[in-house]
Amino acid sequence: NAGVTQTPKFRILKIGQSMTLQCTQDMNHNYMYWYRQDPGMGLKLIYYSVGAGITDKGEVPNGYNVSRSTTEDFPLRLELAAPSQTSVYFCASSKTDMNTEAFFGQGTRLTVV
Amino acid sequence: GQNIDQPTEMTATEGAIVQINCTYQTSGFNGLFWYQQHAGEAPTFLSYNVLDGLEEKGRFSSFLSRSKGYSYLLLKELQMKDSASYLCAVRAPGGSYIPTFGRGTSLIVHP
Repeated sequence: NAGVTQTPKFRILKIGQSMTLQCTQDMNHNYMYWYRQDPGMGLKLIYYSVGAGITDKGEVPNGYNVSRSTTEDFPLRLELAAPSQTSVYFCASSKTDMNTEAFFGQGTRLTVV
Repeated sequence: GQNIDQPTEMTATEGAIVQINCTYQTSGFNGLFWYQQHAGEAPTFLSYNVLDGLEEKGRFSSFLSRSKGYSYLLLKELQMKDSASYLCAVRAPGGSYIPTFGRGTSLIVHP
């Protein structure tokens, strides 16, 4: 029973490099989300998707891109990494909108140096 | 915009009761979540309130007053494993009703 799986768990990037954070869920959930969490702060929504082929910006989308070609996968792309993107990233999914329980992945701890 | 306030940190004794408050100011309201997050781990769902009143689930209860823009999470018979961050999140019209999270309350339970 995998739930939401994120890879990698840890990553160090140099300024200006790019990378993709992978997220996949096996619960056939329509809604998927990407959040970032900085120390002492709550979860900030980066992007979300209400179904395959549909994505929308959240509160802090600058510097990120997403795609949703399948129901299962929702990768997050960082282009030209900056120190301000050092954070813990969580992917989550829920069956419909977040009127129902959301399930979170284990997180990716990213450091940009 | 949305504003969600929670205390930053609370401490309590094992076996005691603790109440974690959350106040919110939002343009409309469509429900409030509580999540638990242990250090270094993912948040996990605790409760969801959309109507006024108290919802009890084992040692945890959640209360909502929509007129006051106020909720609390009540933890009874505290255990050491309850040491974690507790996140309040509010759904409101706009942005496809995706909840906005508060900063979280770090609860430390000591013997």
